[in-house]
Amino acid sequence: DIQMTQSPSSLSASVGDRVTITCQASQDISNYLNWYQQKPGKAPKLLIYDASNLETGVPSRFSGSGSGTDFTFTISSLQAEDIATYYCQQYENLPPMYTFGQGTKLEIK
Amino acid sequence: EVQLVESGGVVVQPGGSLRLSCAASGFSFDDYTMHWVRQAPGKGLEWVSLISWNGGSTYYADSVQGRFTISRDNSKTSLYLQMHSLRTEDTALYYCAKDIRGGNSRFDYWGQGTLVTVS
Repeated sequence: DIQMTQSPSSLSASVGDRVTITCQASQDISNYLNWYQQKPGKAPKLLIYDASNLETGVPSRFSGSGSGTDFTFTISSLQAEDIATYYCQQYENLPPMYTFGQGTKLEIK
Repeated sequence: EVQLVESGGVVVQPGGSLRLSCAASGFSFDDYTMHWVRQAPGKGLEWVSLISWNGGSTYYADSVQGRFTISRDNSKTSLYLQMHSLRTEDTALYYCAKDIRGGNSRFDYWGQGTLVTVS
């Protein structure tokens, strides 16, 4: 099974800061990597799909990059409403299997 | 507007059974693969199961294989999860989630979840 290692597990930053979260796969997953935002008490929300594609309606300050085993999620200028836990998620097709990273809890400094 | 509304979560004893439901609306339900994803209290997300658009293919996480059964009724635009031999570690908020058209890759809409407590 493919393991996903997400770091850091928590992060404190100031409004306006550039924030970066990384996700590493235990083996090559091409670009089969998505990113989600989960605000407290809410369901997760898809932000980035296939490593670098912005989901419709998601602000452009969110971005993703990477391929193979190493992936990065970036918020270019942190806003107060971005306080949430962020998860990476990889997928395999044969057979279908989905694995989430452990999550990164983002707080305002 | 896509809506997914889960129900059926309750407190159940270890070894018990439970059936969760997810009522879908706002999209062509029978065109999409559907999933169950769970989240233990204070923990991360865990994919549980998927079912193809016509119910012909189902897949499960190893942690629930042989105990849980996913099904759907396209005439009722509803998704189900039959859970047997429940364990304390199955305690979680269970979300139903929709995949993209023609794909088995990502969860683009989620319900608000239904809480299952095994105790």
